[in-house]
Amino acid sequence: GAVVSQHPSRVICKSGTSVKIECRSLDFQATTMFWYRQFPKQSLMLMATSNEGSKATYEQGVEKDKFLINHASLTLSTLTVTSAHPEDSSFYICSASRSRRGNQPQHFGDGTRLSIL
Amino acid sequence: EDQVTQSPEALRLQEGESSSLNCSYTVSGLRGLFWYRQDPGKGPEFLFTLYSAGEEKEKERLKATLTKKESFLHITAPKPEDSATYLCAVQALYGGATNKLIFGTGTLLAVQP
Repeated sequence: GAVVSQHPSRVICKSGTSVKIECRSLDFQATTMFWYRQFPKQSLMLMATSNEGSKATYEQGVEKDKFLINHASLTLSTLTVTSAHPEDSSFYICSASRSRRGNQPQHFGDGTRLSIL
Repeated sequence: EDQVTQSPEALRLQEGESSSLNCSYTVSGLRGLFWYRQDPGKGPEFLFTLYSAGEEKEKERLKATLTKKESFLHITAPKPEDSATYLCAVQALYGGATNKLIFGTGTLLAVQP
């Protein structure tokens, strides 16, 4: 159990394009979902925490108008990178947790490789 | 500031050569420590959660242990399929209202046949 599906796995697009990434929990209800960025040989950096039905909480330095997060149901969260530029190229990974509090593990999707030309 | 440091950055082992990976942490109250395995181009795969000093968890060739300052991931008689990046993460007590993780940079393990 605890399968998280992320789509698409890879996106290549022109500068100025908006890109939407979907994250779905397939076999459990995800009260909380998380969005991360990972640069080569670096750690996962948390961008935002999203609770179902609430506004996302963004980490310091992450532009909320640039990275739009929607968590409309207990199984789906989306990240939209608006007007993407080459510096937004990265590996974006989502995770989902059954619990809003406590110490439940996060289960991760397989990531989206975003390349902005 | 809460921090997680993993060592070594990279480790090359011969098949069957046991070793340990280290995760040192500084956190204002530990809620849980998590180990993940990440293969290239994939998301992290959950391995273990440890909650208190002295706790141990095992899964096949892997064993995780926890003290008040660090955690070890022991790999016994590794096989080439154990090759991956192993990530450590801590969940801190930020006023008890969140379950976000702070990740280390990982240890890249290569097991040669």
